[in-house]
Amino acid sequence: DSGVTQTPKHLITATGQRVTLRCSPRSGDLSVYWYQQSLDQGLQFLIQYYNGEERAKGNILERFSAQQFPDLHSELNLSSLELGDSALYFCASSARSSYNSPLHFGNGTRLTVT
Amino acid sequence: SQQGEEDPQALSIQEGENATMNCSYKTSINNLQWYRQNSGRGLVHLILIRSNEREKHSGRLRVTLDTSKKSSSLLITASRAADTASYFCATDAIQGAQKLVFGQGTRLTINP
Repeated sequence: DSGVTQTPKHLITATGQRVTLRCSPRSGDLSVYWYQQSLDQGLQFLIQYYNGEERAKGNILERFSAQQFPDLHSELNLSSLELGDSALYFCASSARSSYNSPLHFGNGTRLTVT
Repeated sequence: SQQGEEDPQALSIQEGENATMNCSYKTSINNLQWYRQNSGRGLVHLILIRSNEREKHSGRLRVTLDTSKKSSSLLITASRAADTASYFCATDAIQGAQKLVFGQGTRLTINP
């Protein structure tokens, strides 16, 4: 068990809808990362937060947004969903803001857009 | 692109044999990490090797890093059925956007 909790585990929704994915980082970790994994694109970095502040941004669409709250949990909001947004969404956490320590991954949220 | 590329994409061996996976990347890095992913699950960190290190061991795992060739290898010795998984390398570039970029992974199958 990595200590990172993601909810829900599965999500099925229709095109055009909006969903929120939730992540609780490992106790004591200040950084939260969001990744999208699909068969054709592999594991794509979306965004990183460190202690409530946005730290780095990757290939995140404008339809997607995220935030990290004062209690350090994070939410990823996906709106105007398209079929191509179907993927596994992973949250990871680490103690620091840099990449000289391991990332701890949750088990992901599987999003299916129909 | 900084993205690492694993080679081979898929590897199938017999239990007890050694498995070697390779990773190549394009830009200078601070660190390189290896992760394992069981089907449909989250990634699990295996080893982190810094740019000034050449080799690192952890149990049956051995990682090498050659910064002159921008490549790394992961060796799993005496493989077990439980080692069946996908293995990813991840790199963070010295310059540019600070992010950990994952390769496409090597799918390892250990046959009993």
